[in-house]
Amino acid sequence: DAGVTQSPTHLIKTRGQQVTLRCSPISGHKSVSWYQQVLGQGPQFIFQYYEKEERGRGNFPDRFSARQFPNYSSELNVNALLLGDSALYLCASSLTSTWGEKLFFGSGTQLSVL
Amino acid sequence: KQEVTQIPAALSVPEGENLVLNCSFTDSAIYNLQWFRQDPGKGLTSLLLIQSSQREQTSGRLNASLDKSSGRSTLYIAASQPGDSATYLCAPQTGANNLFFGTGTRLTVIP
Repeated sequence: DAGVTQSPTHLIKTRGQQVTLRCSPISGHKSVSWYQQVLGQGPQFIFQYYEKEERGRGNFPDRFSARQFPNYSSELNVNALLLGDSALYLCASSLTSTWGEKLFFGSGTQLSVL
Repeated sequence: KQEVTQIPAALSVPEGENLVLNCSFTDSAIYNLQWFRQDPGKGLTSLLLIQSSQREQTSGRLNASLDKSSGRSTLYIAASQPGDSATYLCAPQTGANNLFFGTGTRLTVIP
C-alpha cells in the first residue's frame, strides 16, 4: 500500500504569490494534518481535518487555509507569500481523529519563497 | 503551551557505541509520545510510539522509555551504525493529531 503522498516535492515562488500544496492520505485514513518545518526547527502544527471538517488549527495567520475532499485528500493554500513561509510542509494522516492515534507522515513539499 | 526540549542538540559517536537521546516536555497531560527519525530534507519516519500508560517500547536496537509524571523520555540506540545518522525528534501528543516537536538531536555515527 502507498504511504502518504505529497505534491509537488519542490516549489519556488516569489513574495506575494499564492501556493497550493496537495496531500493524499494512506488508503482508509480519514484524517489529515499539516505541519510546517522551518530549517533547523521541529515541525509546527498548522491544521487538522477529519471527514472534511476542520478539527484543529495551530497559531498561523489567516493567509493559511486548507480543505479536505470527499476522497479524504487535502490541499493547503498559502496566500500573499512571505520570505518566512519558506519551509518544508509536511502532511500526516491517521485512521480517525481519535486522540492519541499514531500519525504517518509524507516526504513533504519544500517551498522556497524568493 | 507544550514546550519540548531535546538534549544534546548534536551528537557524534564512533560506530558500535550505545547512546541515549533525551527529551523533556512541560505538559505531562499527554496521550502518547512518538520518536521520529528525519533524514536531511526528508519527511518523518516513525520509530516508536509509547502510550501514556506505558513505560517503554522496544523495536530492534531501539528502546524508548517514558516518565510521564516528570515529563521525560529517552531513546536508547544500541550498537550504533553509520546508517543511524539522522536527526531524531520526539513529539508528545496532547490533542487530536496535534504533536509538539522539539528541535531534535542530530546524530552522526562515524565508521
